[in-house]
Amino acid sequence: GQNIDQPTEMTATEGAIVQINCTYQTSGFNGLFWYQQHAGEAPTFLSYNVLDGLEEKGRFSSFLSRSKGYSYLLLKELQMKDSASYLCALNSGAGSYQLTFGKGTKLSVIP
Amino acid sequence: DAMVIQNPRYQVTQFGKPVTLSCSQTLNHNVMYWYQQKSSQAPKLLFHYYDKDFNNEADTPDNFQSRRPNTSFCFLDIRSPGLGDAAMYLCATSRVLSGTSLDTQYFGPGTRLTVL
Repeated sequence: GQNIDQPTEMTATEGAIVQINCTYQTSGFNGLFWYQQHAGEAPTFLSYNVLDGLEEKGRFSSFLSRSKGYSYLLLKELQMKDSASYLCALNSGAGSYQLTFGKGTKLSVIP
Repeated sequence: DAMVIQNPRYQVTQFGKPVTLSCSQTLNHNVMYWYQQKSSQAPKLLFHYYDKDFNNEADTPDNFQSRRPNTSFCFLDIRSPGLGDAAMYLCATSRVLSGTSLDTQYFGPGTRLTVL
């Protein structure tokens, strides 16, 4: 089975940097995904890590350590529109075509 | 643009009255998924198709059925909706890369179901 943990809520200031952590336990691993979901909307893909290290995409970066079962999403130069839930999701591989989602971290960006 | 389309965006039904939600995709992805998401919760996978192979999650109620008549379309049938089935229903697609590597999932806008 799989277990994914994320903080429930975070608050950060516009223009700042925020790090959203995700820890997981899994029997197999074939990639970790981060999605952004605004209230009442569908999740949209942000980033994907399958190897250890940092993946950078503009203001968003994601880091993975497979040995520690740990990932984080880093958001720089926060904007008000970044207020959303951020979902960490795991593919366990081994022929699985499924993603297991964490409950998400609700980020509130304040002026 | 290639995309995942869900219809309708909002659906209201009565307790016990069957309802069908639809999903179509122009991405030509071989995997399609149906998720149920309730407020402040993670998306919960109901079932998925790999091509025509249907995979039902063990805890998906029998009240939920699905059909995939071709690569582009997938339907979610709720035979007798209960009040607890009110939720956002998300369709997603993906493709299998070389071996068993899975590409990212692309979500449709969702259908919000209200049960009266």
